[in-house]
Amino acid sequence: EIVLTQSPGTLFLSPGERATLSCRASQSVSSNYLAWYQQKPGQAPRLLIYAASDRATGIPDRFSGSGSGTDFTLTISRLEPEDFAVYYCQQYGSSPGFGQGTKVEIK
Amino acid sequence: EVQLVQSGAEVKKPGESLKVSCTGSGYSFTSYWIAWVRQMPGKGLEWLGRIYPGDSDTRYSPSSQGQVTISADRSISTTYLQWSSLKASDTAMYYCARLGGAGGYHPVYYWGQGTLVTVSS
Repeated sequence: EIVLTQSPGTLFLSPGERATLSCRASQSVSSNYLAWYQQKPGQAPRLLIYAASDRATGIPDRFSGSGSGTDFTLTISRLEPEDFAVYYCQQYGSSPGFGQGTKVEIK
Repeated sequence: EVQLVQSGAEVKKPGESLKVSCTGSGYSFTSYWIAWVRQMPGKGLEWLGRIYPGDSDTRYSPSSQGQVTISADRSISTTYLQWSSLKASDTAMYYCARLGGAGGYHPVYYWGQGTLVTVSS
């Protein structure tokens, strides 16, 4: 079973700043089956990125994903007020699982 | 439009049984995997398992195997998550979620609204 570890646990940033979120896997993620989701309080998660770097339909281009193997990154180039939320990575290979999440909070 | 509509909130006592539902519409129900995801209060997302309604092929996460049962009724485009004997630790929001493609290795593209299950004596 692949374990995903996200860092940092909480990121304190201001609107307009750049956010860099990390997701590290305990073993290589096959075929880059790595996704990122955003979740706001009281809402279901929303898919942002799949296949490590492909944006889902309707996702603004300030969101980008990168990485391969065991190290992946979600970057938000300039934070908008609506981007303050919790972000989860997920590997969706044979035994899917999520990271524990990174909360992006307003500084 | 793809929609997943889940059954309403439940309050149960420890030891009781429960079955929550998720009805899909706006797509070919038998052609896409449906997953169930748990979120305990204030915590992260946990993958419980998934089912392919076309043939009821079901895969559980190691931690959920034997704890819950996932099933589907193709005739009414509905999947189910059930417990035979609830515990207080089953208190959580439960989401059903449709995978993005017809095969097994896809992220979740669509989510239900969630069903809050509260287990308390």
